[in-house]
Amino acid sequence: AQSVAQPEDQVNVAEGNPLTVKCTYSVSGNPYLFWYVQYPNRGLQFLLKYITGDNLVKGSYGFEAEFNKSQTSFHLKKPSALVSDSALYFCAVSADDKIIFGKGTRLHILP
Amino acid sequence: DTGVSQNPRHKITKRGQNVTFRCDPISEHNRLYWYRQTLGQGPEFLTYFQNEAQLEKSRLLSDRFSAERPKGSFSTLEIQRTEQGDSAMYLCATTGPQTNEKLFFGSGTQLSVL
Repeated sequence: AQSVAQPEDQVNVAEGNPLTVKCTYSVSGNPYLFWYVQYPNRGLQFLLKYITGDNLVKGSYGFEAEFNKSQTSFHLKKPSALVSDSALYFCAVSADDKIIFGKGTRLHILP
Repeated sequence: DTGVSQNPRHKITKRGQNVTFRCDPISEHNRLYWYRQTLGQGPEFLTYFQNEAQLEKSRLLSDRFSAERPKGSFSTLEIQRTEQGDSAMYLCATTGPQTNEKLFFGSGTQLSVL
């Protein structure tokens, strides 16, 4: 069965510093991997996805994610954090038509 | 505005009552998903449709939950004999025919069972 794990409930980063939000997955076959963001009182929004090809995927708002097949990871990154990046981030995996989400990581960017 | 519409936005009900939620997808999207989200947790898969066909239903979903998508357009999610543990945000998401396409989420229906 497919699954996705986000090992950190919360990540705190100072504004201007690089950020990483971790995600690992378990799936049979080739995975499709996604990151979504949820701002307070708003619906989930798509950030980026990995389908195939280049292991470094670029997405919205300056975010990128690195696919690592050997480590079964898909960590979300940004070179320089903004206070406005503070939100709840979800990693998701799709491998058999069913899209499964991790429990989420709350990102706090400290001014 | 994602284009996925959910109604109502909020629903307060007494334990034991039945409730029904509606999701109107983006018109060209033929895949429709229902998720449940509780505070501090990720969306939990409930069921999904491809057009009018319900292709999978979570094993965690009790028989009190049922979903339909007549004619492959809007979808409804019904919870019978609600329990306090059903209190959650119910999310609808839609997408195109391929599993590698992004989901478009509605704003959700917040259910409170008293």
